[in-house]
Amino acid sequence: EVQLVESGGGLVQPGGSLRLSCAASGFTFSNYELHWVRQAPGKSLEWVSAVATTGGTFYADSVKGRFAISRENAKNSLYLQLNSLGAGDTAVYYCTREQTGTGMFAFDIWGQGTKVIVSS
Amino acid sequence: EIVLTQSPGTLSLSPGERATLSCRASQSVRSSSLAWYQQKPGQAARLLIYDASRRATGIPDRFSGSGSGTDFALTINRLEPEDFAVYFCHQYGGSPRTFGQGTKVEIK
Repeated sequence: EVQLVESGGGLVQPGGSLRLSCAASGFTFSNYELHWVRQAPGKSLEWVSAVATTGGTFYADSVKGRFAISRENAKNSLYLQLNSLGAGDTAVYYCTREQTGTGMFAFDIWGQGTKVIVSS
Repeated sequence: EIVLTQSPGTLSLSPGERATLSCRASQSVRSSSLAWYQQKPGQAARLLIYDASRRATGIPDRFSGSGSGTDFALTINRLEPEDFAVYFCHQYGGSPRTFGQGTKVEIK
């Protein structure tokens, strides 16, 4: 079965750090661009970051310089390092897989999400 | 940034009825690069439609997508009990990718 499973969320104080993980199974991990998308309470979904098959990385302006995405193909794993966290980063974070191809495509697989709460 | 506005916020319908959901973009979505997803509490979101009108693998034909430019729609014919959920649209034709705020389809 093709699936993505996130972990690593939790309660963290403002200014703190957290590392999210996403374990993939059921497909050739190295062939796909992967993303993190988040949803704050009562808000719409927000694209956060992406890592290409080449290892190139992309970030939303709201997290640039604070978050770092990475992938480890040998372990079929995606990561998101969250630093300098603020209340605005409180959200459910989803790992997603982009449809394969040249250009930008929809997300054909989503994880169930991991919740991050930034609070003192 | 392309802003996607979905309407209505909530749709109250009975099983067997047709649901029509709207997604309007603040500017034209390049190459009809728009997708629709279904989300249920505690479950992973599911891709229903991509490229505005292409059904994803395994999606029943009661789900259909239409539209281009700035106006898109998702139609669900003959609602089944498992179709009551939140639906959101997503444009990937421009950077950054953006999402609508969602439409909840609830049982009347």
